Amino acid sequence: QKEVEQNSGPLSVPEGAIASLNCTYSDRGSQSFFWYRQYSGKSPELIMSIYSNGDKEDGRFTAQLNKASQYVSLLIRDSQPSDSATYLCAVNAGNQFYFGTGTSLTVIP
Amino acid sequence: ETGVTQTPRHLVMGMTNKKSLKCEQHLGHNAMYWYKQSAKKPLELMFVYSLEERVENNSVPSRFSPECPNSSHLFLHLHTLQPEDSALYLCASSHLDSSYGYTFGSGTRLTVV
Repeated sequence: QKEVEQNSGPLSVPEGAIASLNCTYSDRGSQSFFWYRQYSGKSPELIMSIYSNGDKEDGRFTAQLNKASQYVSLLIRDSQPSDSATYLCAVNAGNQFYFGTGTSLTVIP
Repeated sequence: ETGVTQTPRHLVMGMTNKKSLKCEQHLGHNAMYWYKQSAKKPLELMFVYSLEERVENNSVPSRFSPECPNSSHLFLHLHTLQPEDSALYLCASSHLDSSYGYTFGSGTRLTVV
């Protein structure tokens, strides 16, 4: 079992809709959780971090963490074409840092 | 200058060449990393340096040789590469416990001809 799993997609949503990206992880000792956005040919950019159960909102982005179920999700409200990218989930467990394979999101104008 | 800076941004090299990639971080981090990302593939961790000491080497071929002279600088020395080594090479840095995540440089797009 991989440490971090994501649906590779592609996920397509119409402009203005809510995009929902999901990630599960295997290590129950994981402490910190991150979402990175990577545009094609560019480097990953940290967009959200979450450390405790519940929701964390930042503008149009909401990260949700459920440690009991070992999943973390990212919601993007009012999706824009500029949100089209690959979204990487990352988990910090002790001194180990794991990236998922990423979910490709396309926002259709 | 802030953040993580990588040079060069693009590199084309022949299979017999020797070149080096450079990474510099201005974030006060104590750990630095090299990742490889081939087209449409996930990130592959190559090397990890913690407090300037290499702590991980993920079965990377010896034609890739890392160097970390201090906590702010990281190099990846390349020699006798193969065309399949063409990829985006990403440097990242973090605090020792990675609790605030990684910060990536802009990457070096490497093409081996």
